[in-house]
Amino acid sequence: GAGVSQSPRYKVAKRGQDVALRCDPISGHVSLFWYQQALGQGPEFLTYFQNEAQLDKSGLPSDRFFAERPEGSVSTLKIQRTQQEDSAVYLCASSYQAGGFTDTQYFGPGTRLTVL
Amino acid sequence: GQNIDQPTEMTATEGAIVQINCTYQTSGFNGLFWYQQHAGEAPTFLSYNVLDGLEEKGRFSSFLSRSKGYSYLLLKELQMKDSASYLCAVRYDYKLSFGAGTTVTVRA
Repeated sequence: GAGVSQSPRYKVAKRGQDVALRCDPISGHVSLFWYQQALGQGPEFLTYFQNEAQLDKSGLPSDRFFAERPEGSVSTLKIQRTQQEDSAVYLCASSYQAGGFTDTQYFGPGTRLTVL
Repeated sequence: GQNIDQPTEMTATEGAIVQINCTYQTSGFNGLFWYQQHAGEAPTFLSYNVLDGLEEKGRFSSFLSRSKGYSYLLLKELQMKDSASYLCAVRYDYKLSFGAGTTVTVRA
């Protein structure tokens, strides 16, 4: 079946603008994760959903970042009043069930956000 | 975050073997993953270890020693398409903590 998809692939925003990034997980995957990847670095955890419940948002850098997954499938990461330090690739990953013995997270291609 | 350490860069010749080492903190360990990431693309799953020992998957093998907090990814019979970043990721509970990645360059 289809993998994880994300849109848009590229987003340029002016400082202060709000942006919304979309993630379509693999069908039937219960768990959804958002990561932020700075240039030359590994992905950093932002937040985690199990179905529609946001169980962990400890990685969100500030209260300008907000994520939702209202129906337990598609998720949106919203960044309000964007700042230059928000420039990064935002990766979404999904897994069948979190913490399963062999559970693997599958990643989407990411959205590259550039804040001018 | 957790300290996941791996070398920054490695270079090898086509057809050769390269070993990428990864060290991590052992507290709360719940599995170790290796991902491959080509520039501008999604990380793709390569291997998973949760018990000590070697897991072999075609040209790629991954080894884990939980007591030492150590893993390696072995790439054999290198091909040009193997030029990519290789990410070591440790699962603590349900979250993945990633190393910064090792950029492997394969030369003809």
